[in-house]
Amino acid sequence: ILNVEQSPQSLHVQEGDSTNFTCSFPSSNFYALHWYRWETAKSPEALFVMTLNGDEKKKGRISATLNTKEGYSYLYIKGSQPEDSATYLCAAAGTALIFGKGTTLSVSS
Amino acid sequence: DGGITQSPKYLFRKEGQNVTLSCEQNLNHDAMYWYRQDPGQGLRLIYYSQIVNDFQKGDIAEGYSVSREKKESFPLTVTSAQKNPTAFYLCASSIYSNLNTEAFFGQGTRLTVV
Repeated sequence: ILNVEQSPQSLHVQEGDSTNFTCSFPSSNFYALHWYRWETAKSPEALFVMTLNGDEKKKGRISATLNTKEGYSYLYIKGSQPEDSATYLCAAAGTALIFGKGTTLSVSS
Repeated sequence: DGGITQSPKYLFRKEGQNVTLSCEQNLNHDAMYWYRQDPGQGLRLIYYSQIVNDFQKGDIAEGYSVSREKKESFPLTVTSAQKNPTAFYLCASSIYSNLNTEAFFGQGTRLTVV
């Protein structure tokens, strides 16, 4: 079973700030790296699934990169908005989908 | 509409009683998962199933049991052997068992044991 670490645990930024989070995972027995956004009272929703070293994906103001050789992924949010406030989860896929503890982002207007 | 349905949303049980949480999906997904969330702990894997009639233990399987008799259903039983059953339980599924596609989640069941 993989061990996935996320940092920071929580983050508070002002509207318009750009921010990034880190996800680290063991690089052996790796198939894919997932990012999810989990808003209060809702189910987690997928942002990105990445499989190849050097993958970069983008959805609006949010983007992610993957380094499978060193075992880390970054999630970037450009120009944070209050609606970006949520917990961001990363998960590494080996034989099962193993989640980190998440980074809780709070954006103030 | 396709999706994953967990029921009930809230569940209360007396200590010492077994309780079964339902998870049904109509997405034709192969893989299904059960996670538990406690404050500050993130999502911890209880059990997962990659195919009908087969399932594997996750990190915290003790005190839980599952079955996968049908592709669309993956019920979780919290037994009296589970020391701290009060938690939020989340079910998920994905189309392929090798997990290079996104997982979809139910709304969760909050179990309180008194």
